Amino acid sequence: GENVEQHPSTLSVQEGDSAVIKCTYSDSASNYFPWYKQELGKGPQLIIDIRSNVGEKKDQRIAVTLNKTAKHFSLHITETQPEDSAVYFCAARRYSNYQLIWGAGTKLIIKP
Amino acid sequence: GAGVSQTPSNKVTEKGKYVELRCDPISGHTALYWYRQSLGQGPEFLIYFQGTGAADDSGLPNDRFFAVRPEGSVSTLKIQRTERGDSAVYLCASSFTSNTGELFFGEGSRLTVL
Repeated sequence: GENVEQHPSTLSVQEGDSAVIKCTYSDSASNYFPWYKQELGKGPQLIIDIRSNVGEKKDQRIAVTLNKTAKHFSLHITETQPEDSAVYFCAARRYSNYQLIWGAGTKLIIKP
Repeated sequence: GAGVSQTPSNKVTEKGKYVELRCDPISGHTALYWYRQSLGQGPEFLIYFQGTGAADDSGLPNDRFFAVRPEGSVSTLKIQRTERGDSAVYLCASSFTSNTGELFFGEGSRLTVL
């Protein structure tokens, strides 16, 4: 079955700098890769997703890149702000399948 | 409502007691999921409903856990003879259909078993 590994588990960056979180997956048939942000005491919220027919997707300060050959995808946050502090989860699944496989999460800390 | 609603937000119970956790999904969403999240971990799949039926309950840890969705909307997760290891945040999510990309999560029900 699918397995998703996420690194690092904790990431501390200076406000204004960029943050990168990386995930690898094992099932080459996976073709849908969402990223969720979870703030303290809240449920996860989708921030960006990518399907395997594209290599990169951007939404303002957030971008996701996908390398299907290497089976890894990354979240890039530029010009980080205090409100970016949260736990970020990557996930993967086959688009026709309901079952998301989650990474273990990255706690992002933005230092003022 | 505008989002997924879960009640109670916090539940403290004693070992051996029975608890029910409720989820009210976004109106019109046919797919509903229950997840369990322990501190510092990602969501762990428990059960998935498509309409009224449990399409996949393979994530339920044992027969003390059961979930229903009798009218295809509100769902209740039921835990019998609670154990300390059941302590976690129980998250509910819904989506428009089973293969629609985005899952919409509630804020979770934090269960503490003393």
